Amino acid sequence: AQTVTQSQPEMSVQEAETVTLSCTYDTSESDYYLFWYKQPPSRQMILVIRQEAYKQQNATENRFSVNFQKAAKSFSLKISDSQLGDAAMYFCAYRSANKGGKLIFGQGTELSVKP
Amino acid sequence: DAMVIQNPRYQVTQFGKPVTLSCSQTLNHNVMYWYQQKSSQAPKLLFHYYDKDFNNEADTPDNFQSRRPNTSFCFLDIRSPGLGDAAMYLCATSRDLGHLYNEQFFGPGTRLTVL
Repeated sequence: AQTVTQSQPEMSVQEAETVTLSCTYDTSESDYYLFWYKQPPSRQMILVIRQEAYKQQNATENRFSVNFQKAAKSFSLKISDSQLGDAAMYFCAYRSANKGGKLIFGQGTELSVKP
Repeated sequence: DAMVIQNPRYQVTQFGKPVTLSCSQTLNHNVMYWYQQKSSQAPKLLFHYYDKDFNNEADTPDNFQSRRPNTSFCFLDIRSPGLGDAAMYLCATSRDLGHLYNEQFFGPGTRLTVL
């Protein structure tokens, strides 16, 4: 069975600084997708960034980028120029490419941004 | 705006009293999911519908059932809620299964309290 681990329950960053959230996963599959979702307080979860396992190039979405290390099964999220609106719970998630749409989530990292 | 709507946002029920949570979508997506998110834990998939086809996760308790009367609506029924069923219930939709870009769109969730 696949598992996703986020070892940092809480992180803090100063506004305008850069922060990296860690995620590791375990799988025996070769084809899969990885995601970072953001869940602001009392608001719905939204997709931040996605990565396909077969693509070596790291995904980037504006201030958000990932460091995908397939051999190490690591998928970290870097947030540059942090803003107050980035404060949220961040979930790393895994989805098999061959077994439907089930997302397997990590425990989450709560990010606070200090002004 | 196209969206995923969950009603009610907060639901209180009594131990053993059946309760139904509602989800609707204006995205016209084929797939609808129900996730359970207990406090400080990762969301966990209970089941999903692909069109009218129901797909139950192996470890979802029999106490949880779902109905999808049409494309737009999906219901989560908890037949006899126990204290351990208190959680946030998240509804999500996706256009299809499999492809990287079949991302899941989440509703704001319904927080269930069991007294």
